[in-house]
Order: sequence, then C-alpha cells, then structure tokens
Amino acid sequence: SQQGEEDPQALSIQEGENATMNCSYKTSINNLQWYRQNSGRGLVHLILIRSNEREKHSGRLRVTLDTSKKSSSLLITASRAADTASYFCATARNSGNTPLVFGKGTRLSVIA
Amino acid sequence: GAVVSQHPSRVICKSGTSVKIECRSLDFQATTMFWYRQFPKQSLMLMATSNEGSKATYEQGVEKDKFLINHASLTLSTLTVTSAHPEDSSFYICSARRSNTGELFFGEGSRLTVL
Repeated sequence: SQQGEEDPQALSIQEGENATMNCSYKTSINNLQWYRQNSGRGLVHLILIRSNEREKHSGRLRVTLDTSKKSSSLLITASRAADTASYFCATARNSGNTPLVFGKGTRLSVIA
Repeated sequence: GAVVSQHPSRVICKSGTSVKIECRSLDFQATTMFWYRQFPKQSLMLMATSNEGSKATYEQGVEKDKFLINHASLTLSTLTVTSAHPEDSSFYICSARRSNTGELFFGEGSRLTVL
C-alpha cells in the first residue's frame, strides 16, 4: 500500500532555478530515502535520512525531515535539464527486513 | 558497487501465456528480495516479499497464483506472470537486500507488454 503523498505531482521549472518536492508519510519510520527515476528506467538512490536526523546534504541536494509532521522535502538547487525525471520518496518502517514503501512521486521537468 | 540484474529487460507476449522474470544479485547474497509493479506515470507498488528457501509474502490484493515467486538461491528470485492478460502489462522492478549489510539495491526493471 502507498505510504504517502508527494507534492507537487508535477513541477516544471527553468534551468538554474531550484526545485522543491515534498513528501508526507503516515506511519512511524526508521529512515526516509529519495530516489530518482528516468522515464522507463530503474531507480537511482539519491539520499537517505534517518529518523533522528533533520537535514542532510549531498551535492546540489538538500533533504529535510520533520518526524513530528511526518514530512520530508527534497531541494535540488541550480537545476539542470539533466535533472528531468520522476522523484520518489520511500520509507522503511524499521531497520529490519521490511520493504521500502514508495510515495506517488513528483515528475520534474527542467526546461533549458 | 552492488549490482542487481533483471532479465529480460523487455518482453512482449501473447495473452494467455506465462512469462518469467529473473532478478539476480550479481556480487552479493540476498536473503530477501522484493517485487514491485509500476504502471505508467505511477509509483511503485509493492507486490510481494521473496524470502530464500520459503514462501513469498504477498501484499493485499496481489494474487499469489497469478504471480508466482520462487527464491531458490541466495542470488536469484523469479517472478512468473501466469496466463498473462493485457492488464498485466507493466514495469516490474525487483530489489535485493544485501544479507550482510541490509542495504537495498534495485534492478533496472522489466517491461512486460501483453498483446
């Protein structure tokens, strides 16, 4: 079953602008991860943030996590046309053998 | 880095036939693998958890007789779509959990088209 929602469902921006995508989830989590998927391709892992962390950076990516609101955001700074893809958040309920549950995703289009 | 290979990457079959999709962890052992289905412009929906040497655990609404899962070794899980129908056309993605670290790795997906 779907864990939560991403918003916006679709986002179109100009190259160089920042893109912010939000994710909400429903249950308690051990960690939250963001993935990218180019059309018709597999998933690329972007970043993992643990439940006891509030913010994490990786290159042009910045992820925040607010466990009290059960929400996370992914910020891509200085976007490039190559960032065009779908972005999904995924949550793991614990550190054991549970699967990742994916949000509905945001389709990002970066226009050159 | 760890690699998960799915085969075939694309398959077209006639309605009523069965199709087998393989998910292999190439350089690590995976006691547990997960199968997802993704319809166009939608998210990944978990279908089942595949455990080496035991029966798969299916998510609610997924027919176990329709989607047969076999995890006979620590590096291979297979998903067989039996008596496929056009509505089974989808993108099927597996992920494998590395046994010694717990890390998850995803395959590149298999696109099934049923005519």
